[in-house]
Amino acid sequence: KQEVTQIPAALSVPEGENLVLNCSFTDSAIYNLQWFRQDPGKGLTSLLLIQSSQREQTSGRLNASLDKSSGRSTLYIAASQPGDSATYLCAVGASGSRLTFGEGTQLTVNP
Amino acid sequence: GAVVSQHPSWVICKSGTSVKIECRSLDFQATTMFWYRQFPKQSLMLMATSNEGSKATYEQGVEKDKFLINHASLTLSTLTVTSAHPEDSSFYICSARATSGRALRSYEQYFGPGTRLTVT
Repeated sequence: KQEVTQIPAALSVPEGENLVLNCSFTDSAIYNLQWFRQDPGKGLTSLLLIQSSQREQTSGRLNASLDKSSGRSTLYIAASQPGDSATYLCAVGASGSRLTFGEGTQLTVNP
Repeated sequence: GAVVSQHPSWVICKSGTSVKIECRSLDFQATTMFWYRQFPKQSLMLMATSNEGSKATYEQGVEKDKFLINHASLTLSTLTVTSAHPEDSSFYICSARATSGRALRSYEQYFGPGTRLTVT
């Protein structure tokens, strides 16, 4: 059974800092890995999707990497802004599009 | 991009009543839809996979007679919480996997905004 762990559970940083969120998974037989953002009481916003054959994806200030063999992914956020404050979820995709989610990292960027 | 809607966005019901939540893919067809539940400060847990025209596949520990899923068309899946109890209070989120329509990645799930259910 796939297990996804995210570290840290919560993170508070001053505005402008670069930061890294970590995600690890136990079963390396994945189809893809996806990072989402969730604001309080809201649904999910897809940030980046990395296919199992890829090593990284970039979108604006966000960069996600994937090391399938070691079961790790990182989400790098450059020059953080207060608007980046949210919970970030990592989800691992398996066959049949099943997603297994981590518990998330709650990020607070202080102005 | 692909849009998935949920209705209602929030609902309060009395214990013992049933509540139906709709999930619609607005601009694409979705053979497969997924239903998740999220308790406060916890992650999303997959409840069931809904396939158009066939019975849903439930995850271990999810009561299929309590959480009725109907996927009657390529754009609509419904989740009915029967005889709801306070412990069913949660945030229910659906997602849809595109099978056709626009240049969508067929392996990607598109998520709805969620439905907050409170059972009193």
